[in-house]
Amino acid sequence: DAMVIQNPRYQVTQFGKPVTLSCSQTLNHNVMYWYQQKSSQAPKLLFHYYDKDFNNEADTPDNFQSRRPNTSFCFLDIRSPGLGDAAMYLCATSRGDGFSGNTIYFGEGSWLTVV
Amino acid sequence: GNSVTQMEGPVTLSEEAFLTINCTYTATGYPSLFWYVQYPGEGLQLLLKATKADDKGSNKGFEATYRKETTSFHLEKGSVQVSDSAVYFCALSDRGRDDKIIFGKGTRLHILP
Repeated sequence: DAMVIQNPRYQVTQFGKPVTLSCSQTLNHNVMYWYQQKSSQAPKLLFHYYDKDFNNEADTPDNFQSRRPNTSFCFLDIRSPGLGDAAMYLCATSRGDGFSGNTIYFGEGSWLTVV
Repeated sequence: GNSVTQMEGPVTLSEEAFLTINCTYTATGYPSLFWYVQYPGEGLQLLLKATKADDKGSNKGFEATYRKETTSFHLEKGSVQVSDSAVYFCALSDRGRDDKIIFGKGTRLHILP
């Protein structure tokens, strides 16, 4: 059974129209991450939550926001999508218990197309 | 800072060939090392990992050994199959609370029947 679930799998939005991607987890993990992955590139970390503690990467544009209302859910909001934001967005989780070598579990990804 | 360098692809092999994908890392501390695999249109899956020097991670016929002296974690498989066609990412995680992971650029592998 899927442990990290992303919705929708495919999203088409208009240029400048806000869009929200969702992620839920059944693992009760402390940490939830959002990555952006463009074609033929490595995933790029946008931000992550350790519990309710939000951690933004220095180069993440202000256009990207996130919410984590509870342990299980995390949302990625793109306030004004541009053509350059078309990508796959990956949600991931990990225990965050201080143990070295914790596995990060990824969802299947949400493909965003901007038209 | 920490970084991961892996061989550029694409790598094209015939079925049953031997595979090596090189990966080296730079880290200020003592990281854990991972190989993740991404099949077309899917998210990333953990393939194997090692958390200390000389550890060997293995899964589905793939192996990688944590070599601290050469700061390497090369991925190997003795006999590849068409179903192994995917993108492979080498990664490291420092020992911080947040389990943050740094990926290499990925190596695309094509296996021909």
